Amino acid sequence: GNSVTQMEGPVTLSEEAFLTINCTYTATGYPSLFWYVQYPGEGLQLLLKATKADDKGSNKGFEATYRKETTSFHLEKGSVQVSDSAVYFCALSDRWGGGGSNYKLTFGKGTLLTVNP
Amino acid sequence: DARVTQTPRHKVTEMGQEVTMRCQPILGHNTVFWYRQTMMQGLELLAYFRNRAPLDDSGMPKDRFSAEMPDATLATLKIQPSEPRDSAVYFCASGWGLADYEQYFGPGTRLTVT
Repeated sequence: GNSVTQMEGPVTLSEEAFLTINCTYTATGYPSLFWYVQYPGEGLQLLLKATKADDKGSNKGFEATYRKETTSFHLEKGSVQVSDSAVYFCALSDRWGGGGSNYKLTFGKGTLLTVNP
Repeated sequence: DARVTQTPRHKVTEMGQEVTMRCQPILGHNTVFWYRQTMMQGLELLAYFRNRAPLDDSGMPKDRFSAEMPDATLATLKIQPSEPRDSAVYFCASGWGLADYEQYFGPGTRLTVT
């Protein structure tokens, strides 16, 4: 079955530091890949996505590149801010149920990021 | 700014009581998902609806959980009877058409069963 493995946290950084959160996946098909972010007390928000190999998703200074050869989708940001403190989830979406347009998301365990001023 | 809404945001109840959680998906979305989040298991998919019909509820304990969509603007998740192991945050998410892999999450219901 499908699975997502992301680096365990917590990750603690100083403001303006470089961020990398590693994510690798296992999938039988050709999944789309996502990063979601969860701020304290809130639901998950879609941060960025990539739907095919070599696509780069980007949003709010974060980016991740879909690497089929290494089955990876690492999240990066050049200069983190205190407001980026949150839990980050890597996820993949793949078709199920014999084709059609039914998708399911498989999530990683989440990585807690804390950014100190 | 369209959002998924969930009620209640917090619920504390005693073991054996019935719990009903409600979700209003984003207007125009035709796919609804229910997830449960715990520290131990992370995010688990409980149920998946398209156009109000259940597509998959294999992740849901059938003996005590039930999920329905009485109409396009309301999804419900019911637990009867509740048990302490049901304590978790329950999220509803919605999506649309062929892009329902892109899901929009509500703020969640934090359930505590004592």
